[in-house]
Amino acid sequence: GAVVSQHPSRVICKSGTSVKIECRSLDFQATTMFWYRQFPKQSLMLMATSNEGSKATYEQGVEKDKFLINHASLTLSTLTVTSAHPEDSSFYICSVSSGGGETQYFGPGTRLLVL
Amino acid sequence: TQLLKQSPQFLSIQEGENLTVYCNSSSVFSSLQWYRQEPGEGPVLLVTVVTGGEVKKLKRLTFQFGDARKDSSLHITAAQPGDTGLYLCADGRGGAQKLVFGQGTRLTINP
Repeated sequence: GAVVSQHPSRVICKSGTSVKIECRSLDFQATTMFWYRQFPKQSLMLMATSNEGSKATYEQGVEKDKFLINHASLTLSTLTVTSAHPEDSSFYICSVSSGGGETQYFGPGTRLLVL
Repeated sequence: TQLLKQSPQFLSIQEGENLTVYCNSSSVFSSLQWYRQEPGEGPVLLVTVVTGGEVKKLKRLTFQFGDARKDSSLHITAAQPGDTGLYLCADGRGGAQKLVFGQGTRLTINP
């Protein structure tokens, strides 16, 4: 399967600042990456589908102006949480999709804490 | 909207015991995947099943897909502390390649 990394693994920031999270596909060219959010004791909720070279597709209820996604290359997608607030504190996980298939390989996640 | 229900939500048993967890869908699965997630990490794919009635084994784990492709079970034999984690089932919907996750079963194996 694909190897996926995320950076940083954890970040603490002040309310009102912006935070960028990187997702890299280390051994696989990913035209599609996915961003999930997971609150404590809960399952993964898909936030958006990141498409290389085009705009991301956001799930219902996810603010595209707050969660900026850039997928500029086949190995890198970034998620920027703009003007973060404490309620944005969560575990953010990205995944890459295997070519033509439905299997996804997940990164190790980024824990965001907004004070 | 498809709903995936997993049961039980929480399960705590002693090392060496057997257990079964379940995943049920309100609609037919496109393809069913089971993942295990440990605290602070991303989910790791355990298995993908596609065909109704399919049974797959992964060491002490046995995955069964219902004939009608709307339910699945995961059976663990002689559970070990290393099996502790959040077990998630997911449906890989075709086309958009999106995954829909169940709420998970949080399993704790006590030494």
